[in-house]
Amino acid sequence: ELKVEQNPLFLSMQEGKNYTIYCNYSTTSDRLYWYRQDPGKSLESLFVLLSNGAVKQEGRLMASLDTKARLSTLHITAAVHDLSATYFCAVDLYSGGGADGLTFGKGTHLIIQP
Amino acid sequence: DAGVIQSPRHEVTEMGQEVTLRCKPISGHDYLFWYRQTMMRGLELLIYFNNNVPIDDSGMPEDRFSAKMPNASFSTLKIQPSEPRDSAVYFCASSLTGVSSYEQYFGPGTRLTVT
Repeated sequence: ELKVEQNPLFLSMQEGKNYTIYCNYSTTSDRLYWYRQDPGKSLESLFVLLSNGAVKQEGRLMASLDTKARLSTLHITAAVHDLSATYFCAVDLYSGGGADGLTFGKGTHLIIQP
Repeated sequence: DAGVIQSPRHEVTEMGQEVTLRCKPISGHDYLFWYRQTMMRGLELLIYFNNNVPIDDSGMPEDRFSAKMPNASFSTLKIQPSEPRDSAVYFCASSLTGVSSYEQYFGPGTRLTVT
């Protein structure tokens, strides 16, 4: 059974600071997804990481993937209040080139205070 | 592009009643997924379809739940009879083969309350 663990589950930080969210998964997979969810809203796709060593950046967020360690990180640089949200990582167990359902972590509830 | 469309957005029903949730995937997408989100269990995959065919329904909690995809532009998730523990937000998502990322696009969700 695929398990996806995120930590921390709750993070309160000040604007301007840097921090990293970690995502570990239990079974070999080369596809790792990061989503953002605002309260009462749907999931917004942030990054899709497809191979070992993949790194993607968008604004103050940067995601990376180490498939050998089964670890992905989401790094926040110089946080601003607008980044307050819940962040989920997810993994799928695709095979044969097809898609698969996602297994999600529990999410990291991020609060950024002025 | 209108994105994934779900209806209704909110549903309140009494225990024992039948509930039908609806989803229209993004045009041209060949995968459709149903997920459920609760505080206790987080986000869970219920079932997914490829080209209208159910591929994996192992996440469907019990026989009270059923899902269909009669054509490429419509899917339903039905609960009969509904129970209070079914209260959750139900999301539909779609994706497209051939796009290397298989990125899944989520609909706005249906918030179901069973009293």
